[in-house]
Amino acid sequence: EAGVAQSPRYKIIEKRQSVAFWCNPISGHATLYWYQQILGQGPKLLIQFQNNGVVDDSQLPKDRFSAERLKGVDSTLKIQPAKLEDSAVYLCASSPKGLAGGPRSDTQYFGPGTRLTVL
Amino acid sequence: SQQGEEDPQALSIQEGENATMNCSYKTSINNLQWYRQNSGRGLVHLILIRSNEREKHSGRLRVTLDTSKKSSSLLITASRAADTASYFCATARSGGTSYGKLTFGQGTILTVHP
Repeated sequence: EAGVAQSPRYKIIEKRQSVAFWCNPISGHATLYWYQQILGQGPKLLIQFQNNGVVDDSQLPKDRFSAERLKGVDSTLKIQPAKLEDSAVYLCASSPKGLAGGPRSDTQYFGPGTRLTVL
Repeated sequence: SQQGEEDPQALSIQEGENATMNCSYKTSINNLQWYRQNSGRGLVHLILIRSNEREKHSGRLRVTLDTSKKSSSLLITASRAADTASYFCATARSGGTSYGKLTFGQGTILTVHP
């Protein structure tokens, strides 16, 4: 089974520029997560989707970050405009956890991440 | 905010030795998970222990959970150089829309010398 795919793997931009990351989860996984991992820290959840609906975006800086999962499959995360403190690895994860009565799993499967450097 | 706090922050051992990492958390949980992250890569799930379990094994891994102390430990036996990585505990809270949401600790950097 193919894993979670992310692109690009690396991105360098200047502050105030825009950037977008793409994620394709494991086929059939209902839940998709975006995490931000700053160097030396653990991942921090930014947003969680259940199919194409947002379940939790409480830690997403909505003034500059946006995310969508239009068809309930792949997802994009955008930063506009970027700040120096946005330099981090952005991880996408998916899990089979579905709606009530559907398949459930508490394990998350992570992609390789996108390393963003803001200069 | 980080729920899980790991101890030690860094651990250096020789191949063949055992490695023990500890994790403490603050709120009630549904389950606790351990993940490994190799340098520059994504996280790989290692093991999950539910709140009603006390100990779980998977190969060379042994995880314990003490919900009264809100703590967990990960033991890697007979370590190998390939075990060199960062190890994170992550807690999943119970109930409501937070179900399934993982909160990660800061991680323990394990270095296994050949």
